[in-house]
Amino acid sequence: EIVMTQSPATLSVSPGERATLSCRASQSVKNKLAWFQQKPGQAPRLLIYGASTRAGGIPARFSGSGSGTDFTLTISGLQSEDFAVYYCQQYNNWPPGTFGPGTKVDIK
Amino acid sequence: ELLLLESGGGLVHVGGSLRLSCAASGFTFSTSGMTWVRQAPGKGLDWVASVSDNGAITYYADSVKGRFTISRDNSKNTLYLQMNSLRAEDTAFYYCAKGKWANDHWGQGTLVTVSS
Repeated sequence: EIVMTQSPATLSVSPGERATLSCRASQSVKNKLAWFQQKPGQAPRLLIYGASTRAGGIPARFSGSGSGTDFTLTISGLQSEDFAVYYCQQYNNWPPGTFGPGTKVDIK
Repeated sequence: ELLLLESGGGLVHVGGSLRLSCAASGFTFSTSGMTWVRQAPGKGLDWVASVSDNGAITYYADSVKGRFTISRDNSKNTLYLQMNSLRAEDTAFYYCAKGKWANDHWGQGTLVTVSS
């Protein structure tokens, strides 16, 4: 089973700044990587799939990159509604669709 | 508007059973694989099970294999999760989600609490 790790566990960012979140897989997942955002009390929301393709309705300030084992989610110009927990999920070796442990983005 | 609405959660004792339902609307349910994902309070996301569009193929996490059964009724646009032999570690919010991976729509979840 592929193990997903995310860093940092918590990222403190000021509004308007850029946030860079990392996700690493224990073996190559090619580009089969998704990113989700979850706010308190809400269900997860798909942001990115295929490592870099934004899901429908996702603002352009969210961008994904990477392939193989190392991936990055970049949020440019953080807005108040972006403070949340972000999870990556691999689906190259599926099942299972393993999630990373998450990165919490909070206000600096 | 695409909607997924879970129901059936509640409090159950260790060893007990519960059946969750997920009513789907706003898309062609019968052409979409479906998934259950759970989240223990304050913890991360944990894939539980998925089912093919026609219900013929099912997939399970090792932690629930042999205890949980995912199924669907395409005539009712409804997804199910039958949970037997429940354990304290099954306590979580259970979400249904459209698709088998990179799920683009999720329900709001239903809470299952397993007490000893």
